Amino acid sequence: LAKTTQPISMDSYEGQEVNITCSHNNIATNDYITWYQQFPSQGPRFIIQGYKTKVTNEVASLFIPADRKSSTLSLPRVSLSDTAVYYCLVGEPWAGNQFYFGTGTSLTVIP
Amino acid sequence: DGGITQSPKYLFRKEGQNVTLSCEQNLNHDAMYWYRQDPGQGLRLIYYSQIVNDFQKGDIAEGYSVSREKKESFPLTVTSAQKNPTAFYLCASSIDLGEFSRDTQYFGPGTRLTVL
Repeated sequence: LAKTTQPISMDSYEGQEVNITCSHNNIATNDYITWYQQFPSQGPRFIIQGYKTKVTNEVASLFIPADRKSSTLSLPRVSLSDTAVYYCLVGEPWAGNQFYFGTGTSLTVIP
Repeated sequence: DGGITQSPKYLFRKEGQNVTLSCEQNLNHDAMYWYRQDPGQGLRLIYYSQIVNDFQKGDIAEGYSVSREKKESFPLTVTSAQKNPTAFYLCASSIDLGEFSRDTQYFGPGTRLTVL
């Protein structure tokens, strides 16, 4: 089962870099790793996706080690508006493994 | 404007009544999903559909039903058999690229259902 495990919550000061790690020990060969951001009472929003090594876009970086059993979302210089819940998702529901969003990591950015 | 719409945003129903939540997308996406989110919890998959006229149960399908008669629409019915239906319901869609796909989901704004 491609279940994911993340820290429940994290705090950070404005302007700091934040790293959120997700464990997915049972990731399948075909699975991509996707991260989403969710604000209260809204639908999640796609942040970044990767398969291996490092991926970077305009908002975040994603680091994936060679064994792919974990991944780390890196948010550079966070601001108050980055306060949200961040979910790590592995695979698709039709891939045979359990499709699981998990409880996510609640990030609070402090002024 | 392309996107996913869910209606209504808030819905109240009496216990024992069936209720249908609407989800429409104009992104031309093949796959659509329904999730349930309870306070302080993650998203749990109820049903998903990869193609018109086909859908599969997710982790918590009991007490729910869906249909996929059109590519754009994936309504969810919460039946009276659902023991604890009060929750935040989210619909999503994605392009199904098959094996080795990069399935990025686009979510609607959600419907908050309260059963009294």
